[in-house]
Amino acid sequence: QVQLKESGPGLVQPSETLSLTCTVSGFSLTSNSVHWVRQPPGKGLEWMGIIRSGGSTDYNSALKSRLSISRDTSKSQVFLKMNSLQTEDTAIYYCTRSEYGGYSELDYWGQGVMVTVSS
Amino acid sequence: DIQMTQSPPVLSASVGDRVTLSCKASQNINKNLDWYQQKHGEAPKLLIYYTNNLQTGIPSRFSGSGSGTDYTLTISSLQPEDVATYYCYQYNSGPWTFGGGTKLELK
Repeated sequence: QVQLKESGPGLVQPSETLSLTCTVSGFSLTSNSVHWVRQPPGKGLEWMGIIRSGGSTDYNSALKSRLSISRDTSKSQVFLKMNSLQTEDTAIYYCTRSEYGGYSELDYWGQGVMVTVSS
Repeated sequence: DIQMTQSPPVLSASVGDRVTLSCKASQNINKNLDWYQQKHGEAPKLLIYYTNNLQTGIPSRFSGSGSGTDYTLTISSLQPEDVATYYCYQYNSGPWTFGGGTKLELK
């Protein structure tokens, strides 16, 4: 069955770089797109970016200068890297799947990983 | 970027009520809109895709409609397990965007 699972450090220092991994199973990264979505405590969902089946990426305009999404198809893993972290980046980070280059619904989600930015 | 505005931010209703949640896009999104339900402490779950298609396993009391810039999620008879926050999401053009959410409470 389709599964996505996020992993990464729970605590990151301000100004440092966040690195998260989304490990997927039950589908191929060369057939589906993977998105990253985050949710600050008590707030709404924010779409961060996408890596498509062909490897191309798109990013939220507000995060574009700090964010990078990549993948290792042989390991079925997608990576998020975001630099210059601030306290406002404290959030639950989700990875989620779609088809058709991202022009479709987010049908499967990971459980999310909580990231706290604090010294 | 396309802005998605949901209303109301909070909605209180009684069990059995018909409930309507609204989502307005800042430009035509050609029905490329989904609805997600998020219960407290859980990941979001897909309810409705492409405006009016019920995801597998979702109860038929949920329905969606709309076109152009205006979209609606309707719950025909509210159940206690429907207490959650509901988000609309557009994928008509990037960057993709979510609405701010409607928190549905029991009266």
